[in-house]
Amino acid sequence: GAVVSQHPSWVICKSGTSVKIECRSLDFQATTMFWYRQFPKQSLMLMATSNEGSKATYEQGVEKDKFLINHASLTLSTLTVTSAHPEDSSFYICSARDWASQETQYFGPGTRLLVL
Amino acid sequence: SQQGEEDPQALSIQEGENATMNCSYKTSINNLQWYRQNSGRGLVHLILIRSNEREKHSGRLRVTLDTSKKSSSLLITASRAADTASYFCATDGGDMRFGAGTRLTVKP
Repeated sequence: GAVVSQHPSWVICKSGTSVKIECRSLDFQATTMFWYRQFPKQSLMLMATSNEGSKATYEQGVEKDKFLINHASLTLSTLTVTSAHPEDSSFYICSARDWASQETQYFGPGTRLLVL
Repeated sequence: SQQGEEDPQALSIQEGENATMNCSYKTSINNLQWYRQNSGRGLVHLILIRSNEREKHSGRLRVTLDTSKKSSSLLITASRAADTASYFCATDGGDMRFGAGTRLTVKP
């Protein structure tokens, strides 16, 4: 089946630094990618939707200047957490929708971010 | 925002028993999917049911969908200790939105 990878799988950083997370669709083209955040013992919350070559659409309450999303190609989207703070510590999961099969959305393995 | 509610929030059963989890949602959907997540790990896709389907089976899993009531249920039969995980429903209406999840514990 289709695979979505994320890098890094985990990251620890100091408060105030920026962290970039990459999401790649490995064997299919993804016109649309999604970013989710999951806090401990909670569900996945959609943060933003990005279409290749255009600006991301952010969910209500998600700061677009803090969570920068770039979807520069059909196989790569990046999420940059700028000036990270401890409350940004979370599990970030990306997902990609297969252009050929719009019904199917594949999820990456997630990136665990810990901000000290 | 989340799509809807799942109940129960937590469920504890003995091995061999059946587990039923329910999911309600708010908007129109193309399909509804169920996922499993072990603690601290990624999602595992279990089953997809389309909006024009009412019931679907996959191994020990049985999923129902009632679009008039905007609800779905996941039944796991003959549960095993390895089924212990969190289970989420997710509705697909162009993007996927998740329910709150049910934490299932199966005691050996």
